[in-house]
Amino acid sequence: AQSVTQLDSQVPVFEEAPVELRCNYSSSVSVYLFWYVQYPNQGLQLLLKYLSGSTLVKGINGFEAEFNKSQTSFHLRKPSVHISDTAEYFCAVSENNDMRFGAGTRLTVKP
Amino acid sequence: GAVVSQHPSRVICKSGTSVKIECRSLDFQATTMFWYRQFPKQSLMLMATSNEGSKATYEQGVEKDKFLINHASLTLSTLTVTSAHPEDSSFYICSARDNSASFYNEQFFGPGTRLTVL
Repeated sequence: AQSVTQLDSQVPVFEEAPVELRCNYSSSVSVYLFWYVQYPNQGLQLLLKYLSGSTLVKGINGFEAEFNKSQTSFHLRKPSVHISDTAEYFCAVSENNDMRFGAGTRLTVKP
Repeated sequence: GAVVSQHPSRVICKSGTSVKIECRSLDFQATTMFWYRQFPKQSLMLMATSNEGSKATYEQGVEKDKFLINHASLTLSTLTVTSAHPEDSSFYICSARDNSASFYNEQFFGPGTRLTVL
């Protein structure tokens, strides 16, 4: 069965700085990978997904992620963050249509 | 894009009562829906997979008699928390899978329901 590890539970960063949120997964078969953002008391919003094709995936709000099969990673990046990016970010992996989530990374953007 | 709604968005109830949460796919048919539970500052944990017209499949450790799931149509699944207790207080999120895609059947998430049991 697949599993997801988000290596950082909290990431504080200053406004306009770059950020990387790390995600590693384990799976025995081909998987589909996702990043979601969750604002307080709200549901999940899809940032981006990797299904196939180019390993560099661009999403909404200026985020992008790169699928690295050899390192089983799918790290999320943004070159310049805003205060409004403060939220919880979840990496997820889907194998055989069964989706599992990482523990989440709390991104806090400080002025 | 595909939209999934949940009702109610938040509910407060007394201990011992039952609460029903609805999950609807608004613009697509979903033969499969999923129910997740999220405790404060934690991740989403899959509770059960709901298949239209058949019994739900529950994850290990989830009491099927406590969390009743009904998926009577291709656009509606309900989760009933029976005899709710304070420890059932949580954020419940559903998702629906669009099975019409030829390549990958993506899940779309509802906005969640905040349940508080007093």
